[in-house]
Amino acid sequence: AQSVSQHNHHVILSEAASLELGCNYSYGGTVNLFWYVQYPGQHLQLLLKYFSGDPLVKGIKGFEAEFIKSKFSFNLRKPSVQWSDTAEYFCAVSRSGGGADGLTFGKGTHLIIQP
Amino acid sequence: DTAVSQTPKYLVTQMGNDKSIKCEQNLGHDTMYWYKQDSKKFLKIMFSYNNKELIINETVPNRFSPKSPDKAHLNLHINSLELGDSAVYFCASSRSSGGLYNEQFFGPGTRLTVL
Repeated sequence: AQSVSQHNHHVILSEAASLELGCNYSYGGTVNLFWYVQYPGQHLQLLLKYFSGDPLVKGIKGFEAEFIKSKFSFNLRKPSVQWSDTAEYFCAVSRSGGGADGLTFGKGTHLIIQP
Repeated sequence: DTAVSQTPKYLVTQMGNDKSIKCEQNLGHDTMYWYKQDSKKFLKIMFSYNNKELIINETVPNRFSPKSPDKAHLNLHINSLELGDSAVYFCASSRSSGGLYNEQFFGPGTRLTVL
């Protein structure tokens, strides 16, 4: 079974700071990787995803993530955060070719951006 | 157009009651899921349905039963509600044909409070 570890449970940054949220997964096979964001009181929205190909993926709102297979990592980055980025961020993994497999989520990172 | 919708958005009930949460998707997906998000924001899959067949049941008590009248709907029935069932329940859907891509789209969530 897969597992996902997010290292930072709470992160507080000032506006315009750079962001990197760590995510590591554990699984012996090929995986699909995702970052979801949950703004206060809202549902989960997909930020970006990796299935195959270029390990550097770009998502919405200026976010990007890099898949490093040798490190089983899929860290999320943004060069300059905004107050509106305050939210809960979830890394998730699913078994590639898993069909109806559900997503295995990390425990989330609560990001607070101070004006 | 709402892609994945859930009703109700809020549900407050007494212990021991039986309740249902409805989910509908208009994306033409063939797989639907239920996730539970606890008070610490941890998301865990409960069920998935693919072509009206239950695929996953992750150690969920049998008081919870998913029912899918058709591909576009996956309802969650909960019998004999307990305090620990209080959580936010998210419905999601994805396309799983060929098992190649299973990006999931989430509904807005149903906040269940058991008193």
